[in-house]
Amino acid sequence: GENVEQHPSTLSVQEGDSAVIKCTYSDSASNYFPWYKQELGKRPQLIIDIRSNVGEKKDQRIAVTLNKTAKHFSLHITETQPEDSAVYFCAAGGTASKLTFGTGTRLQVTL
Amino acid sequence: DAGITQSPRHKVTETGTPVTLRCHQTENHRYMYWYRQDPGHGLRLIHYSYGVKDTDKGEVSDGYSVSRSKTEDFLLTLESATSSQTSVYFCAISARDLYNEQFFGPGTRLTVL
Repeated sequence: GENVEQHPSTLSVQEGDSAVIKCTYSDSASNYFPWYKQELGKRPQLIIDIRSNVGEKKDQRIAVTLNKTAKHFSLHITETQPEDSAVYFCAAGGTASKLTFGTGTRLQVTL
Repeated sequence: DAGITQSPRHKVTETGTPVTLRCHQTENHRYMYWYRQDPGHGLRLIHYSYGVKDTDKGEVSDGYSVSRSKTEDFLLTLESATSSQTSVYFCAISARDLYNEQFFGPGTRLTVL
């Protein structure tokens, strides 16, 4: 089955700096890569996703890049703000109507 | 948030007792999922459903069973709860097979003493 690895497990950045979280996947048939943000005590919320026919997608301060050859995708957050502090999860999915999640990155944005 | 509710939201039970968690959706989505979330493990799939009475196992299905008799309800049962099943349980729904965008319920915190 699919295996998703996510790094780093914790990330601390100063407000205004950029943050990058990286994931790798194992199944070359995976074609959908969502990212979720989970605030403390809350449910995971979808923040951005990318399909395998696209190399990059942006939505305001967040962007995701995909390298299918390397089986690698990344989340980029620019101009970080305190409200970006949360746990972020990557995931990979194929045609089996399932997602496999990474183990999460705890992002802390300090003032 | 998508129309997903979970009940109960919190439960404390004793080892060996049966427990049933309920997920209810008002979106009429075909796919429903049960995950457990534990520190260091992220979200792990327990069981999922691709239609009424159609279910399949996920990666951590041992000790759990599910049922889906109506589109809107997906039940997760722990036949005999163990302390290792102490966790936060999330239900998720999706309308799609391909590009399987999932939306999560608020979660149920289960403690097995």
